[in-house]
Amino acid sequence: GAGVSQSPSNKVTEKGKDVELRCDPISGHTALYWYRQSLGQGLEFLIYFQGNSAPDKSGLPSDRFSAERTGGSVSTLTIQRTQQEDSAVYLCASSSQGDALEQYFGPGTRLTVT
Amino acid sequence: AQSVTQLDSHVSVSEGTPVLLRCNYSSSYSPSLFWYVQHPNKGLQLLLKYTSAATLVKGINGFEAEFKKSETSFHLTKPSAHMSDAAEYFCVVSGATSGTYKYIFGTGTRLKVLA
Repeated sequence: GAGVSQSPSNKVTEKGKDVELRCDPISGHTALYWYRQSLGQGLEFLIYFQGNSAPDKSGLPSDRFSAERTGGSVSTLTIQRTQQEDSAVYLCASSSQGDALEQYFGPGTRLTVT
Repeated sequence: AQSVTQLDSHVSVSEGTPVLLRCNYSSSYSPSLFWYVQHPNKGLQLLLKYTSAATLVKGINGFEAEFKKSETSFHLTKPSAHMSDAAEYFCVVSGATSGTYKYIFGTGTRLKVLA
């Protein structure tokens, strides 16, 4: 597809379970970002990948959160031992090397922890 | 450090009247600024961006914003509101920080358009 895609679109999980959220960036985009949108915190940066450089993990809220990007394309955000406060919409964005400033956002994954 | 403040959490206008959504930023160097719109249950869509070129930026759907360095503002305007403009609007500041072009989002302004 032409845009950023994310799966699943919705995920309901029980407290304490692990979840994996997937992001497919726009083909050829070298940078990939994860953000979280929650009622209490608004939109906040989580992690950033750029090419083969070490990721910027400065926004991850705890060590239960991790992300990887395989082959410079698809990324997976993993949340271990989910808590109710993890409930949010997780957004992925990508940008090209030619215009690093403009990010294109996916539709998000709505995570509900019960 | 960078930050952005959206001065109104909710704005209501009548259809056909002007829209003004206010945004102030803080940045220790020349920022890039964006406005995004999010319709209910939809993704974020870029309305317009300022990246150190013309200070008056025109975007999609008749929106525009003016970068005012002296006032550290980047307010979003539209001459005539349409019902379809009802959505949440986010002001964003960015710029290379330690090699990361991460976005710093404002808290959002929910625009309501009255018939």
